[in-house]
Amino acid sequence: TQLLEQSPQFLSIQEGENLTVYCNSSSVFSSLQWYRQEPGEGPVLLVTVVTGGEVKKLKRLTFQFGDARKDSSLHITAAQPGDTGLYLCAGARTSGSRLTFGEGTQLTVNP
Amino acid sequence: DAGITQSPRHKVTETGTPVTLRCHQTENHRYMYWYRQDPGHGLRLIHYSYGVKDTDKGEVSDGYSVSRSKTEDFLLTLESATSSQTSVYFCAISTGTRSAEQYFGPGTRLTVT
Repeated sequence: TQLLEQSPQFLSIQEGENLTVYCNSSSVFSSLQWYRQEPGEGPVLLVTVVTGGEVKKLKRLTFQFGDARKDSSLHITAAQPGDTGLYLCAGARTSGSRLTFGEGTQLTVNP
Repeated sequence: DAGITQSPRHKVTETGTPVTLRCHQTENHRYMYWYRQDPGHGLRLIHYSYGVKDTDKGEVSDGYSVSRSKTEDFLLTLESATSSQTSVYFCAISTGTRSAEQYFGPGTRLTVT
């Protein structure tokens, strides 16, 4: 059973467009992370959100944690080819515990 | 970048042979994890460790065993490799704080023929 559903699975856009990736669950998480993975490499942590309703910005990336701590979104403004990669969300149910990963969103930004 | 290395980075082996993958960290983090990544399945947890000699199973542990005799090393063993274990294997480490952030190694691509 996949506890974290990511959508869309694949996204191909032109440079300069905006996009949003969603991560949804019926379970409550104590924290949620977003990772980006490039081919041949391990996932790299982008951000962690821990408070319901929290919004974090990382340059052109905006991350939001839902009020009920069951969902999250990643918004990219003015996407660039360097944003291309696999974006993964992962939730932790309790501190020090295992992460549950979504299947990922493969983003391609075309020049 | 977190100091995590994995060895080997690539391996081809035959069905039925034993295989051991090594994860080494220089961060002195308490928690270490082994995942496999397959198309359509994302990252799935195989085993994890919460201290020296303290390990537990993940969601896809059948056919795998682990050992952690030192803080810095976490070994994953496939006792008798099968073609279904062809995958990319990632090691991760964590301090185990509330935020549960994990830092990943570069991965090992294993092919079982």
